[in-house]
Amino acid sequence: EAGVAQSPRYKIIEKRQSVAFWCNPISGHATLYWYQQILGQGPKLLIQFQNNGVVDDSQLPKDRFSAERLKGVDSTLKIQPAKLEDSAVYLCASSPRGRVQYFGPGTRLTVT
Amino acid sequence: SQQGEEDPQALSIQEGENATMNCSYKTSINNLQWYRQNSGRGLVHLILIRSNEREKHSGRLRVTLDTSKKSSSLLITASRAADTASYFCATDAGGSNYKLTFGKGTLLTVNP
Repeated sequence: EAGVAQSPRYKIIEKRQSVAFWCNPISGHATLYWYQQILGQGPKLLIQFQNNGVVDDSQLPKDRFSAERLKGVDSTLKIQPAKLEDSAVYLCASSPRGRVQYFGPGTRLTVT
Repeated sequence: SQQGEEDPQALSIQEGENATMNCSYKTSINNLQWYRQNSGRGLVHLILIRSNEREKHSGRLRVTLDTSKKSSSLLITASRAADTASYFCATDAGGSNYKLTFGKGTLLTVNP
């Protein structure tokens, strides 16, 4: 079974630029999560989708971050404009109708 | 905000020794999970313990849960160099969202 795929793996941008991350979850997983993991901390949930609907986006900075999950499969997370404090690893995870989450390798974003 | 707090923040042991990591949390939970993260990789689920369970085993892993103290411990027996990673506890407060809140993690280094 293929795992959660993410791209790109690394991205370096200047502040005020925009960036987009892509995630392809495990086939058949209805729930998709985006996390932000700052160095030395645990992952923080940004947004959760159930199929293509948003379940929880309470911690998503909506003035600069946006996410969508078209057709209930792939998802993109966008940051526009980026700030220095957005430097982090962005993790995508998916889950079937259960408690365990399956994570992708993450995208390491550096904002200079 | 972080729900769980792992202790210690860092742990260094020799191969063959046992490693114990602790997690404390603040609010009532439905279950608690432990995840491992190797450097530069995504998180991998290790074990889930429900709130009505006190102890659970999986291979060389032993997890305990004390809901009265709001704490959990992860024991890795006969550690190997390959166990070198960060370990995170994640709490699930229940509900249909299956939302996990992660702690800051314990960095375990197993020296060969």
